[in-house]
Amino acid sequence: QKEVEQNSGPLSVPEGAIASLNCTYSDRGSQSFFWYRQYSGKSPELIMFIYSNGDKEDGRFTAQLNKASQYVSLLIRDSQPSDSATYLCAVNLANFGNEKLTFGTGTRLTIIP
Amino acid sequence: EAGVTQFPSHSVIEKGQTVTLRCDPISGHDNLYWYRRVMGKEIKFLLHFVKESKQDESGMPNNRFLAERTGGTYSTLKVQPAELEDSGVYFCASSPQGGVYYEQYFGPGTRLTVT
Repeated sequence: QKEVEQNSGPLSVPEGAIASLNCTYSDRGSQSFFWYRQYSGKSPELIMFIYSNGDKEDGRFTAQLNKASQYVSLLIRDSQPSDSATYLCAVNLANFGNEKLTFGTGTRLTIIP
Repeated sequence: EAGVTQFPSHSVIEKGQTVTLRCDPISGHDNLYWYRRVMGKEIKFLLHFVKESKQDESGMPNNRFLAERTGGTYSTLKVQPAELEDSGVYFCASSPQGGVYYEQYFGPGTRLTVT
């Protein structure tokens, strides 16, 4: 079982619709959760992080965390063509001296104009 | 403020040769991380420096890989001798010590091709 699992996609969403990206993780000790966006050939860019159960909203982005189900998701409202990218889910045990990120393989999202 | 920079952006070498990758973190960031993405796989952690000390090198694949961080500033990752399976994109990331929520800022990566 992979430590962090994501649907690889591609996921196609019409412009203006809601894109929903999902991620599950295996280590119940995971404390912090991150969503990175990566355009082709570019560096991963942090767009959202979440630590507590529930929802966290930032503009058009909402991250949702359910630690009991070991599940984290990212919703993108009013999807724009510029949102087309690979979205990487990453988790961190956040223990002292252990700050490495464990990534999923990423979900490729395409917004259709 | 300048972001994380990496050099070179792309390197093509033959099996058995040596390659050195360089990373310059964001100024003032004590934490520096190396990650690698092999084609088709997820980004995987290699090691973590706090200033000049290796905090965690559990992800280093074998002793052909040597990482250094002189004076707690830039870092180098040397692969000697390179093997075909070392091909991939090597990312460097940095974060401030005591930074909020361990946010790591990534560089553009070095694409290494071993032929």
